Amino acid sequence: DGGITQSPKYLFRKEGQNVTLSCEQNLNHDAMYWYRQDPGQGLRLIYYSQIVNDFQKGDIAEGYSVSREKKESFPLTVTSAQKNPTAFYLCASSADLSNTEAFFGQGTRLTVV
Amino acid sequence: QKEVEQDPGPLSVPEGAIVSLNCTYSNSAFQYFMWYRQYSRKGPELLMYTYSSGNKEDGRFTAQVDKSSKYISLFIRDSQPSDSATYLCAMSDIGSNYQLIWGAGTKLIIKP
Repeated sequence: DGGITQSPKYLFRKEGQNVTLSCEQNLNHDAMYWYRQDPGQGLRLIYYSQIVNDFQKGDIAEGYSVSREKKESFPLTVTSAQKNPTAFYLCASSADLSNTEAFFGQGTRLTVV
Repeated sequence: QKEVEQDPGPLSVPEGAIVSLNCTYSNSAFQYFMWYRQYSRKGPELLMYTYSSGNKEDGRFTAQVDKSSKYISLFIRDSQPSDSATYLCAMSDIGSNYQLIWGAGTKLIIKP
């Protein structure tokens, strides 16, 4: 089945540690996205990539980093510079730039302990 | 003022009722309008998208866009308990490189 796989589903991090969230898609989509979702707020864009080896900052990129070495993979690293990392993180992909049909993974819940 | 406003709810209705979910927006350049459904602790899934103004129907779901009023709606007919979820609106335009701008979501509860 085609889709997007995020792992792990739950992640706990100690303050001061970097953690990496995995996102893999087998939809052959060019564009991939990382969003953060907090209670009572809409999804906020962290980073996006429209092609391999290229990515752009979204609205809240500070404290995060990404890479896009393969078309199917777009990992997100939450660094110790991110002051409030506890959130639900969603990865998405779309076939083209119009982004009219974005497919989402099941999300990773990150908690700082 | 947020670019996209959406009543967070919760909105609680009896099974079989017609549900109306709404979003207002401020950017008149938006051209693409989407509705996503999100179950608890899951990723959103696309229900419908509409380009520019007008209506679009898919089974029990109807999406309406009124660009003159900067207002979009999602109607659910014959609502079922399985429709209980959070409904997110999103919109985009070519000027922002099609980046989606999201509402905060409305939590819908269908009571059996």
